[in-house]
Amino acid sequence: AQKVTQAQTEISVVEKEDVTLDCVYETRDTTYYLFWYKQPPSGELVFLIRRNSFDEQNEISGRYSWNFQKSTSSFNFTITASQVVDSAVYFCALSEAKAAGNKLTFGGGTRVLVKP
Amino acid sequence: DSGVTQTPKHLITATGQRVTLRCSPRSGDLSVYWYQQSLDQGLQFLIQYYNGEERAKGNILERFSAQQFPDLHSELNLSSLELGDSALYFCASSVGSENTYEQYFGPGTRLTVT
Repeated sequence: AQKVTQAQTEISVVEKEDVTLDCVYETRDTTYYLFWYKQPPSGELVFLIRRNSFDEQNEISGRYSWNFQKSTSSFNFTITASQVVDSAVYFCALSEAKAAGNKLTFGGGTRVLVKP
Repeated sequence: DSGVTQTPKHLITATGQRVTLRCSPRSGDLSVYWYQQSLDQGLQFLIQYYNGEERAKGNILERFSAQQFPDLHSELNLSSLELGDSALYFCASSVGSENTYEQYFGPGTRLTVT
């Protein structure tokens, strides 16, 4: 069965600090997709990134970067030079190719609080 | 703005009642998904429809049902409501039915059962 674990429930940083969010996943499928979503205080879920299991290249988008390591089943997310607007709950999610449809299994989320 | 719309934004109702949540997917998207976010269960997948047909099912209670109409909008019906059904219900949509497509989420409907 697929499972996503985000061990950090809450992280508090001061503006301009870097913050790394951990995500560990479990799956028996060899083909799968990993996602990160952001849930700001307003409540909506905002798609950030999708990564397939065959692409282990790290990705950078502005102040955001992602590190995918199949050897440790991890897909970590780093916010560089954090800003107050980064305060949100961040969810890591997994979707297995062999499963019917496109079900997302979410981790429990990590709340990031960026203080000015 | 993801392009996915959900109505109503908030809903307050009593135990035992029935409610209907509505979702309109992004233009061009054929798949619609429903998720429930609660404090104790987190974000959980309920059900997926693709072009009017049920595609995948999660831990959706028998008291809950959904459908996708020919115009591709979807409705989630919750009946015999219990206090534990209080949650934020998200609808999401994607172009296709498989996991090569990212899902875009609506703003959610917050359901409070009193």
